[in-house]
Amino acid sequence: AAGVIQSPRHLIKEKRETATLKCYPISRHDTVYWYQQGPGQDPQFLISFYEKMQSDKGSIPDRFSAQQFSDYHSELNMSSLELGDSALYFCASAPGQPNTGELFFGEGSRLTVL
Amino acid sequence: QKEVEQDPGPLSVPEGAIVSLNCTYSNSAFQYFMWYRQYSRKGPELLMYTYSSGNKEDGRFTAQVDKSSKYISLFIRDSQPSDSATYLCAMKQGSNYKLTFGKGTLLTVNP
Repeated sequence: AAGVIQSPRHLIKEKRETATLKCYPISRHDTVYWYQQGPGQDPQFLISFYEKMQSDKGSIPDRFSAQQFSDYHSELNMSSLELGDSALYFCASAPGQPNTGELFFGEGSRLTVL
Repeated sequence: QKEVEQDPGPLSVPEGAIVSLNCTYSNSAFQYFMWYRQYSRKGPELLMYTYSSGNKEDGRFTAQVDKSSKYISLFIRDSQPSDSATYLCAMKQGSNYKLTFGKGTLLTVNP
């Protein structure tokens, strides 16, 4: 079965530009999570969605926004990019809510801000 | 103080060794405890999941939770070079979605 698909896998942007990351969850998974992992850091929870509604919010900057669409895919929009936004962004999906923490992660989107 | 503390290592062991990885936590509301394995440049992959205090075994892996001490462990028996990865502990409160991760321990198993 296909896993969580993230695109693009790599993205290079300049400061103050905008970036959009996409996540396609596993089929029949209705919960999507976004995590940010800086170099040598643990994944930091950004935001989650269940059934197209925001279910929880973590340390997501105001410059970032996200949504889950009717087909359950999710997009993370990042504006006014800063150097510190350079990181690996993971999307994870899970069935149902609230789940037990058994998340299925994608391979990540590596954002580099120059 | 971070909610979840994990020694980042690195930890280097010979093939066949028993590996012990540990995390401590401060939030007594955590109810679900997980261990994820992350290979370089890949997403975390769930290894073990436990809910209550006690031990849970799956093949060469044993997860241990001691809620009274706020301490969790992952033991790897007969370690293999393919076990070389970063191991992240993660925890979750009952009704929340958010997982809180430890910093991860980089393990290298030398053949």
